[in-house]
This record gives sequence, structure tokens and C-alpha cells, in this order.
Amino acid sequence: QSVLTQSPSVSEAPGQRVTISCSGSTSNIGNNAVNWYQQLPGKAPKLIIYYDDLVPSGVSDRFSGSKSGTSASLAISGLQSEDEAEYYCVAWDDRLNAPVFGGGTKVTVL
Amino acid sequence: QVQLVQSGAEVKKPGSSVRVSCKSSGGTFTEYDIGWVRQAPGQGLEWVGGLTPKFGLSYGQNFRDRVTITADESTTTAYMELSSLRSEGDTAVYYCARVIFYGSGNFGWLDPWGPGTLVTVSS
Repeated sequence: QSVLTQSPSVSEAPGQRVTISCSGSTSNIGNNAVNWYQQLPGKAPKLIIYYDDLVPSGVSDRFSGSKSGTSASLAISGLQSEDEAEYYCVAWDDRLNAPVFGGGTKVTVL
Repeated sequence: QVQLVQSGAEVKKPGSSVRVSCKSSGGTFTEYDIGWVRQAPGQGLEWVGGLTPKFGLSYGQNFRDRVTITADESTTTAYMELSSLRSEGDTAVYYCARVIFYGSGNFGWLDPWGPGTLVTVSS
């Protein structure tokens, strides 16, 4: 059972917008940076959002992140078939002294 | 640009140990630079461990007293050794990733990631 809670899956048509939520607590999301990773099938994870809402160089600006209290969100706008992947949220946990992960959200492009 | 290359797949017996290596190139290297994450078949990502400037060894709950993280700065290579391997639970792809700290040694994010090393535990 993951410390951070994500919905298991989301589906949307091409060109639409999807939002993935990540729920935690004051010991993790509420007090530390949230990061998001994209994992394409059979590939290693890739950083797409860091420090809550920053987009790394080379990552599409269709990805955006936000945080409020103990929850964070990842939004993907202008959905494309190449966005079909698993998405994970991660944050440091002050009680566990370790980064904790969400269970992952599978995005399907219809 | 940092690139990470990991050692090849391993097959181990239950109760034995495995050591996975991760060579970093293209940037500076310290013992704090590399963290380890695993992914069991069909499952999500799980923190294995890494060295942090604030807390020393940080490890996931399933790895207490079983994981050893070391680094050789002369060869810019990090190692993760996992002992007392279990056939159910430890079979997984093990990823290394560069850890970025911010502020006064706060754990930030993981970027980039290595390609992964499949460890199979089977009798």
C-alpha cells in the first residue's frame, strides 16, 4: 500500500485535458517538494515535474504541476497518444526519512 | 549531461545477496549522488535506498538491515547490495537514479534514471 494515494487510471480523448491527483499528509506533500515521473511501457521513469510545478528542460509544456496543502496534481493538456503511460508522484517523508511514492496512475488515450 | 549505466541482469538463490552497479558519466560524482528504486513485475515504484547528507542512509521500509549503498568516487560508480533475498518480493527491476538535493541538503528529485537491472530470485 502506497503512502501517497493516486487514482489507478484515467482515460480521455486526444486533444483533451486530464488531471491526476496525488494525496498525502503533512509529513510528505504538506512539507516537501512534489515530483512527477512518467513511465512509458518497458522504459525507465522520466522526471516531468519537479519542485511542485517546475518543468525540466526538454519536457513538453503540456505538462503542468500544482500543489495545495497535502495534495498535488499533474495536468496534461492537448492529450496525445505518446502520453499513454504510467505517472507517479513522489515526495520526501519527514517521518520515514525516505521518499515515498504514489501507486501510479495509468493514462489511456482513447 | 549525466548518463547512468547499470550492470547486467542477475539470477540469485533465496537467502543470497546481489550487488548492482551504476556508473555515472558526464558530471560530478559524490556518494550522495545516486539513489535506488525498484519495480516488481506489474507493480509500482518503491524506494530501496540512498545516502543523504542530512540523514545518512535512507532506506525503504522493506529493506531495513538488508541494503548497503556504497560509492567509489574514483570510478564514479555506485553500488547497491541487497542481502537475504526473498523469492517473493525481491524479484524486480532495480533502477539507479541521480538524486538532486536542494537548500540545506533537502531531498529533491531523481533525474536521470538508469535503464534498470532485472534481478530474479529463484530456487
